[in-house]
Amino acid sequence: EPEVTQTPSHQVTQMGQEVILRCVPISNHLYFYWYRQILGQKVEFLVSFYNNEISEKSEIFDDQFSVERPDGSNFTLKIRSTKLEDSAMYFCASRREYEQFFGPGTRLTVL
Amino acid sequence: QKEVEQNSGPLSVPEGAIASLNCTYSDRVSQSFFWYRQYSGKSPELIMSIYSNGDKEDGRFTAQLNKASQYVSLLIRDSQPSDSATYLCAAHPNFGNEKLTFGTGTRLTIIP
Repeated sequence: EPEVTQTPSHQVTQMGQEVILRCVPISNHLYFYWYRQILGQKVEFLVSFYNNEISEKSEIFDDQFSVERPDGSNFTLKIRSTKLEDSAMYFCASRREYEQFFGPGTRLTVL
Repeated sequence: QKEVEQNSGPLSVPEGAIASLNCTYSDRVSQSFFWYRQYSGKSPELIMSIYSNGDKEDGRFTAQLNKASQYVSLLIRDSQPSDSATYLCAAHPNFGNEKLTFGTGTRLTIIP
């Protein structure tokens, strides 16, 4: 069964550095999402993406964040200048009809 | 008022019994509802979706939706130790491509 994949599984970075988190959504899905989950907290929406553009973003998704679909398969989340509070699990999801399927996540640790 | 609310638990249920998980929601997110299972350190795994009032059954899982009471529940029959996880309730409107709004999750432990 097709799955959403994400790389890397764990990323450690220094505060102020740029990171790029990568996702390969399920191939016939058209809507893509990024969520994050800070340790011990609930899953929070960051951004949704459809037809090569952002369709909705949350207050968390400020100018430090960007998303891109550079080719027909990858979907990336870039954080330009990481902060300590960006440490979290980042999940990519893709959607079929109304159901969203999550990738395994990238654990981002900002030191 | 929070948009999706769950009792954080923990909820302990003996093996073989029925586990009942509950979720309430505000109008703003109230169209489609989902239950996800999340094992510690893992990603949310979709186990049930429900869109209309009533019950929906899938194997040992039954989702129940009552839009008048703004209430959605998940029943797990014949609970197994492998069902021990955090169960996340999520909701979004039916239209467009809007975000999922999650509750804080209920931690379920099945006692052998």
